[in-house]
Amino acid sequence: EAQVTQNPRYLITVTGKKLTVTCSQNMNHEYMSWYRQDPGLGLRQIYYSMNVEVTDKGDVPEGYKVSRKEKRNFPLILESPSPNQTSLYFCASSPLAGGYEQYFGPGTRLTVT
Amino acid sequence: EDQVTQSPEALRLQEGESSSLNCSYTVSGLRGLFWYRQDPGKGPEFLFTLYSAGEEKEKERLKATLTKKESFLHITAPKPEDSATYLCAVQWVSGGGADGLTFGKGTHLIIQP
Repeated sequence: EAQVTQNPRYLITVTGKKLTVTCSQNMNHEYMSWYRQDPGLGLRQIYYSMNVEVTDKGDVPEGYKVSRKEKRNFPLILESPSPNQTSLYFCASSPLAGGYEQYFGPGTRLTVT
Repeated sequence: EDQVTQSPEALRLQEGESSSLNCSYTVSGLRGLFWYRQDPGKGPEFLFTLYSAGEEKEKERLKATLTKKESFLHITAPKPEDSATYLCAVQWVSGGGADGLTFGKGTHLIIQP
């Protein structure tokens, strides 16, 4: 089954404790991206990757890191999480960067206390 | 200033009562306009892509249309299972790197039996 998977689905952590949210897709897509979704603000792009080893900032990249060493994986790293990073996070992928729909993962609900 | 505005923010309809959701955008160089459906706690699910003014797409009770400045998602004779948040996303040609991509904040649709 074609899908985007994220782990963990739920995470409660404390301020400053480094964490990684994994994202994997099995559709051989070149483009992958991370979003956060907050009430009243909608979906906002954090980082995106147009291909392996190619990543770039989205609209809200502060406090996040990403890497794309393999085509299928695109982990999101929070080096020192803060409470304002409490949010619902989605990973997405699409065949190419331009003009194609994105396929979203199930989401990771992160709470930073 | 928001580049993508969805209206209304929320809409409550009776089962069978047709209506339309609006997505207006101010970007130039449109690459594509996307409609997604999002159920509570889940990732957005792709519905339609529209590329140029005058284009229309249909799927079951949903029909999406596009003009130069806005898109409509028409819902005909909706059923309770159509209840969800409908998101609009606009992709446009940027000066460099990947295309720009902005999501609207969504319309929360409730269909009452």
